[in-house]
Amino acid sequence: EAQLVESGGGLAQPGGSLRLSCAASGFTFSSYEMNWVRQAPGKGLEWLSYITESGPFTQYADSVRGRFTISRDNAKNSLYLQMTSLRVEDTATYFCAREKPSCRGDCLELWGQGTLVTVSS
Amino acid sequence: QSALTQPPSASGSPGQSVTISCTGTSSDIDVSWYQQHPGKAPKLMIYEVDKRPSGVPDRFSASKSGNTASLTVSGLQAGDEADYYCTSNGGDNRFYVFGSGTTVTVL
Repeated sequence: EAQLVESGGGLAQPGGSLRLSCAASGFTFSSYEMNWVRQAPGKGLEWLSYITESGPFTQYADSVRGRFTISRDNAKNSLYLQMTSLRVEDTATYFCAREKPSCRGDCLELWGQGTLVTVSS
Repeated sequence: QSALTQPPSASGSPGQSVTISCTGTSSDIDVSWYQQHPGKAPKLMIYEVDKRPSGVPDRFSASKSGNTASLTVSGLQAGDEADYYCTSNGGDNRFYVFGSGTTVTVL
């Protein structure tokens, strides 16, 4: 069964850093585009970042560009989100999500359960 | 402020239909819809405007006209009570944009 499992969340101080991981299993990870999406407590979904199958091309939301970096290690079936210069407003549950192949637009067909990041002093 | 506007809430009785709108999509851009139950990950319900992934009941249908997309849930069931989000390409160098979300309540 295809599965995504996020880890690495926790408490961070404003200005600090965290690295989130997303472990993929049950499918050929290297064949899929991947994304990170977050949800602040009680709020809606916010798309954050995208990476192509082999990783040369990435995209970011304005809110995290220059502070967050998406990457992947296909040999380890893992997706990462390096978060720096964290702000209180980055407090959220972070989801990794797999794109449906050959889909036009935003087609996030497989999601992890999410990992909670809390930024507070 | 989200570029895609949804009504904050919608409701219907069991067996009835409810339609959620999503305004602000470009006429040439595909739209997807996600369902999210409290404390759970979102689930893709509709992609490329009106296509259903395998396993999604045909009670869920969608369409698009001009800059407004719509999701209709027919034959409402208690399990349909959830938050629903539309999303499309953001344009203006924004890759993807989620709508503000609509909470569907089954009365």
